[in-house]
Amino acid sequence: SAVISQKPSRDICQRGTSLTIQCQVDSQVTMMFWYRQQPGQSLTLIATANQGSEATYESGFVIDKFPISRPNLTFSTLTVSNMSPEDSSIYLCSIPGRRATEAFFGQGTRLTVV
Amino acid sequence: AQRVTQPEKLLSVFKGAPVELKCNYSYSGSPELFWYVQYSRQRLQLLLRHISRESIKGFTADLNKGETSFHLKKPFAQEEDSAMYYCALSGPVLRKLVFGAGTILRVKS
Repeated sequence: SAVISQKPSRDICQRGTSLTIQCQVDSQVTMMFWYRQQPGQSLTLIATANQGSEATYESGFVIDKFPISRPNLTFSTLTVSNMSPEDSSIYLCSIPGRRATEAFFGQGTRLTVV
Repeated sequence: AQRVTQPEKLLSVFKGAPVELKCNYSYSGSPELFWYVQYSRQRLQLLLRHISRESIKGFTADLNKGETSFHLKKPFAQEEDSAMYYCALSGPVLRKLVFGAGTILRVKS
């Protein structure tokens, strides 16, 4: 299985500021996914990040709010911009595993916006 | 529309009792179904895939296409099974996962 390192593991941020979350994988992967888990809710896919192309965003998520970088096959960042308390969530990065459609997850970033 | 429904937020059972975590799905096509588990202070990890028809840690799950269900079962619960369980589906190509709301399983001694 792959090793996925995500940081920071948690942060408390002021509203109106931005936070960049990093995801590092120990192997090269074509696709990386970013999910959000709001308090008491399930995981929702934000976007798919492919190396060498723009991220593909799911309905309800836009690039201006959640810009994503994918500079190489082992690394991605997700920025949560102009934060408000509603952005308080756990953000997770994920990669598909070798077996078809299995996914591995980072440990998550717990974001609190005050 | 793709949707996964887990009707129970919390399931509390005694050690040794049978467990069934319910999962129903909506998908136009042939989805792949999964159960993911998150133990306390650990990351989300795969428990079962429907295509492998395996038993992991005593858990099994059968895909019932007629009822569009993928319930997770274990005949005798153990305290170490206490965790959050998520049912999820993905399409065969894009690999994006759609998750249910999750069920907390609490096994009491």
